[in-house]
Amino acid sequence: GQNIDQPTEMTATEGAIVQINCTYQTSGFNGLFWYQQHAGEAPTFLSYNVLDGLEEKGRFSSFLSRSKGYSYLLLKELQMKDSASYLCAVLPSGGYNKLIFGAGTRLAVHP
Amino acid sequence: EPEVTQTPSHQVTQMGQEVILRCVPISNHLYFYWYRQILGQKVEFLVSFYNNEISEKSEIFDDQFSVERPDGSNFTLKIRSTKLEDSAMYFCASSESGTPGAGELFFGEGSRLTVL
Repeated sequence: GQNIDQPTEMTATEGAIVQINCTYQTSGFNGLFWYQQHAGEAPTFLSYNVLDGLEEKGRFSSFLSRSKGYSYLLLKELQMKDSASYLCAVLPSGGYNKLIFGAGTRLAVHP
Repeated sequence: EPEVTQTPSHQVTQMGQEVILRCVPISNHLYFYWYRQILGQKVEFLVSFYNNEISEKSEIFDDQFSVERPDGSNFTLKIRSTKLEDSAMYFCASSESGTPGAGELFFGEGSRLTVL
């Protein structure tokens, strides 16, 4: 079966660092994506990992361990506008970008 | 910046009616998708489309659903006879490549369908 787990909600303070974890069990693996979704809006792409290790992109970094079925998204220097849902999505074997999404983590950033 | 556009942004319909949701993918993209998100739930894959035919579809995408690329720019999702459980946000997406992971998915703003 396909299963992606991430925490439902997190809160953090403006200027702080937050780590959002994701664990997955899927039939095959062709990469893991992180998307940001503000309420009522479309998901927007943040990162893609297919090899183990850390990918850094500005304030956002994403880490992958394939052997552990684990990823995290690290957000630094949090801003109020970072309040959103963060979606972990896995691309199983085969398929044309048939992403399997987790339920998302709602992050609330407060002053 | 190029974007995926969708119409309508919100549609309310009666159960049993046909609905067509429209999408204009990014112009140089070749792969098109529909995803949906029931309120408060996960984003779910419905169908992928390439070279004028369905590449893959999920178990959600039953005989009530169909997709079409009627011309060089539009990509449509038709629901033949809507049910209450079809109420959701429907996202169109496109990508330049179909290679797993190589083609970033660009999502449209979504069409919210409400079935009464």
